[in-house]
Amino acid sequence: NAGVTQTPKFQVLKTGQSMTLQCAQDMNHEYMSWYRQDPGMGLRLIHYSVGAGITDQGEVPNGYNVSRSTTEDFPLRLLSAAPSQTSVYFCASSPRRDRQGSEAFFGQGTRLTVV
Amino acid sequence: KQEVTQIPAALSVPEGENLVLNCSFTDSAIYNLQWFRQDPGKGLTSLLLIQSSQREQTSGRLNASLDKSSGRSTLYIAASQPGDSATYLCAVTLTGGSYIPTFGRGTSLIVHP
Repeated sequence: NAGVTQTPKFQVLKTGQSMTLQCAQDMNHEYMSWYRQDPGMGLRLIHYSVGAGITDQGEVPNGYNVSRSTTEDFPLRLLSAAPSQTSVYFCASSPRRDRQGSEAFFGQGTRLTVV
Repeated sequence: KQEVTQIPAALSVPEGENLVLNCSFTDSAIYNLQWFRQDPGKGLTSLLLIQSSQREQTSGRLNASLDKSSGRSTLYIAASQPGDSATYLCAVTLTGGSYIPTFGRGTSLIVHP
């Protein structure tokens, strides 16, 4: 059971480039989310999804786009990378509330540097 | 908006001490609270999950308690070891809203031999 898988683990982008961070889970979880982690700031929610075809904005959504066409996958797109998007990105998933207490599971993170 | 605060931000203790890490939250209408461990440069590992109807959960040397009325949770680590050195994060999910956890900024723990 792989859990939550994020790719790539590391990425360097030039300002203005676009890219997609991949996230896949094999636990049939309904809820998926993307966070960014910056020093001293904790984890801040970027976007989230409560099911296929449903997405919503979190605390810091600007500059990012998401879609959820399947239950398993929740990619995060950086539209035009900026140095302020240098961060570590985490994807998480959790089951709906009547399953397993809705415990959240996290991927290993993607460390992104924008130069 | 739910706000989650963790105190202290950093802690350095000698091996063998019993520790208490604190987490407070502003909205008591929570669904669950989860404690995570994060090692440097790594992802988050779930330690304990407490449902809103529960008062505490235990796993080995770890015990987490929940007091919704006061908006607090504590993580108790018994007989600390150098291998416990990590950042500990508290995350709260509300009964309503996004169904997604809100995190505190964490407590960075160093246990020295």
